[in-house]
Amino acid sequence: DIQMTQSPSSVSASVGDRVTITCRASQGINNWLAWYQQKPGKAPKFLIYEASTLQSGVPSRFSGSGSGTDFTLTINSLQPEDFATYYCQQTNTFPLTFGGGTTVEIK
Amino acid sequence: QVQLVESGGGVVQPGGSLRLSCVASGFTFRSYVIHWVRQAPGKGLEWVALTSCDGSEKYYADPVQGRVTISRDNTKSTQYLQLNSLIHEDTAIYFCARAMGCNYPQSRYFAYWGQGTLVTVSS
Repeated sequence: DIQMTQSPSSVSASVGDRVTITCRASQGINNWLAWYQQKPGKAPKFLIYEASTLQSGVPSRFSGSGSGTDFTLTINSLQPEDFATYYCQQTNTFPLTFGGGTTVEIK
Repeated sequence: QVQLVESGGGVVQPGGSLRLSCVASGFTFRSYVIHWVRQAPGKGLEWVALTSCDGSEKYYADPVQGRVTISRDNTKSTQYLQLNSLIHEDTAIYFCARAMGCNYPQSRYFAYWGQGTLVTVSS
């Protein structure tokens, strides 16, 4: 199975900050990676696919990059509604696997 | 708009069974893969299973292989997850999630999610 490792596990930030979350795959997955946002008590929301393509309706302050084994999710100018947990997911190989999550907390 | 509504969760004893349902609306059901993803209390996301658009292909995660059966009825826009021989580790919210299409790679992204149904395995 492909292991997905996210770092940090949590980050404290203020409104207006730039936040970067890293996701590393245990083996190369080309650009077959997605990012999701989840708020407490809610279902996850689809943000980015193929490592860098923004899903329709997702604000442009979100961006993704990377290929192979190393990927990043960047949130520019953090907004109050962005405080949540973020997960990466590889779609290269079954079983589909997620990272452990990164919680973006209010500083 | 796209809607997915799960049901069938509840409290069940170890070794018991449950059948979860996911009723879809707002899109052409037969044109999209539907997945099941679960989340144990306070934990991360875990993919469980998927079936192809026509129901002919099925894939399962190792922890549930042999204990779970996924199926779909395209005439009813409904996906099912039969859970058997349940163990404590199966306690989780079970989400159904619609993919972006039928074919790879679109079939492996979870573009829309239901609100989830809670399965609790407890004696």
